[in-house]
Amino acid sequence: GQQVMQIPQYQHVQEGEDFTTYCNSSTTLSNIQWYKQRPGGHPVFLIQLVKSGEVKKQKRLTFQFGEAKKNSSLHITATQTTDVGTYFCAGGRQAGTALIFGKGTTLSVSS
Amino acid sequence: DAGVTQSPTHLIKTRGQQVTLRCSPKSGHDTVSWYQQALGQGPQFIFQYYEEEERQRGNFPDRFSGHQFPNYSSELNVNALLLGDSALYLCASSPWTGRDIQYFGAGTRLSVL
Repeated sequence: GQQVMQIPQYQHVQEGEDFTTYCNSSTTLSNIQWYKQRPGGHPVFLIQLVKSGEVKKQKRLTFQFGEAKKNSSLHITATQTTDVGTYFCAGGRQAGTALIFGKGTTLSVSS
Repeated sequence: DAGVTQSPTHLIKTRGQQVTLRCSPKSGHDTVSWYQQALGQGPQFIFQYYEEEERQRGNFPDRFSGHQFPNYSSELNVNALLLGDSALYLCASSPWTGRDIQYFGAGTRLSVL
C-alpha cells in the first residue's frame, strides 16, 4: 500500500539555526499537507500544496512540493523555541481520499 | 466559534471491554474522520463519515465501528478491546467540499489494561 516516509525522525538545533524535514511518498500524490503537533497537543494544519513544483512561504517556513508530486520538504529559517513540536506530512492519492500520514519529524530547539 | 470537541479526554478500560468516544465537529463542517495515533507515530486513518454514512475506511478490523448523527456529531465504538488499542484517538472535521484539510480535536487518550 501507499507509504509516506519522513526524515529525519528527530532533529535538535540551537535557536537561530535552520531546520529541514523531508517527506517521500511511494506513490504520486494529488496533494500534500503539513501539520504541526506540539508536545501533548493535537495536529494543527499548516499548509496544503497541490501543484507540481509548488513553493509556499509562511513567515519563516518554506514548503515545497516536488516536480513528480512524490516528495515534499519543510524548511524553517532561524528556528525559535516556539517551533518545537512534531511536523507531519500527509498525502492522498486523489483529492478527497484518506490521508496517509508520515511518522513525523520531532524538532527540539535549545536557547 | 467552537472548534472540534471530543469527549472524554482520558479513558481507562480493560481488555475485552467496549468503549464509545464522541466528537462534535467544528461549526459549519459536515464531515467527520477518525484517526488512531499510537505513541511516536503519525495519525492512522480509521474511517470517515458524511451524511450519516461511512464513506471511506482504513485498514482497521470490524471491531472499530462508527456512527454519525443528523447534527453531524459522531461516535467511534471499539469492541473487544486489546492492549494494542491503547492510543490517542483523534477526531477531525471538514466541509465535504474541502475534506482534504483536517481540523483535529484534542483527542481522547485511551489506555487498555
